[in-house]
Amino acid sequence: GDSVTQMEGPVTLSEEAFLTINCTYTATGYPSLFWYVQYPGEGLQLLLKATKADDKGSNKGFEATYRKETTSFHLEKGSVQVSDSAVYFCALEKGGATNKLIFGTGTLLAVQP
Amino acid sequence: DTAVSQTPKYLVTQMGNDKSIKCEQNLGHDTMYWYKQDSKKFLKIMFSYNNKELIINETVPNRFSPKSPDKAHLNLHINSLELGDSAVYFCASSHPRGGKETQYFGPGTRLLVL
Repeated sequence: GDSVTQMEGPVTLSEEAFLTINCTYTATGYPSLFWYVQYPGEGLQLLLKATKADDKGSNKGFEATYRKETTSFHLEKGSVQVSDSAVYFCALEKGGATNKLIFGTGTLLAVQP
Repeated sequence: DTAVSQTPKYLVTQMGNDKSIKCEQNLGHDTMYWYKQDSKKFLKIMFSYNNKELIINETVPNRFSPKSPDKAHLNLHINSLELGDSAVYFCASSHPRGGKETQYFGPGTRLLVL
């Protein structure tokens, strides 16, 4: 079945470090891919998305490129801040009759000053 | 204005009780969802409704019964609560199904069953 695999956390970085959180997926067809972020004690917020191969999603300095050849959607940021500390979820959605999001396990990012 | 709202935010109850969680969206979306996040932060779909019609039921125990009085509301009723039901429950909504549109999430309801 369809699935999303994320790198395990926690990921601990110093402020201004470069961030990569790996995400790969298994799915038939052409899913849309998403990164959601969950700040402590809060709900999920959409961070960025890409709907077709080679699309790049970007928001708040974060970027991810939809790579169909490697079935990946890695999240990157050039310089993290303490305020980026959160859990990051990679997810896919295939649309159709069952429009459900399939999530990865989440990656906790802790940024230290 | 809150786009997707849930009540209550926190719910602490005894095993065996019946409880409800309410969800409302003011985005004009046709499709609404319930997701469960367990203690390890893993998120999984439970139900989805499109225009008050049940679309997804992911083998959730029948103690869980969603109800959609109109397309802006999707409530979750849980009978005979068990310890394993302790989790965070998220409501979400999106544009009509098939469009692979972004799902917008509520703030979550943190349920603790004692």
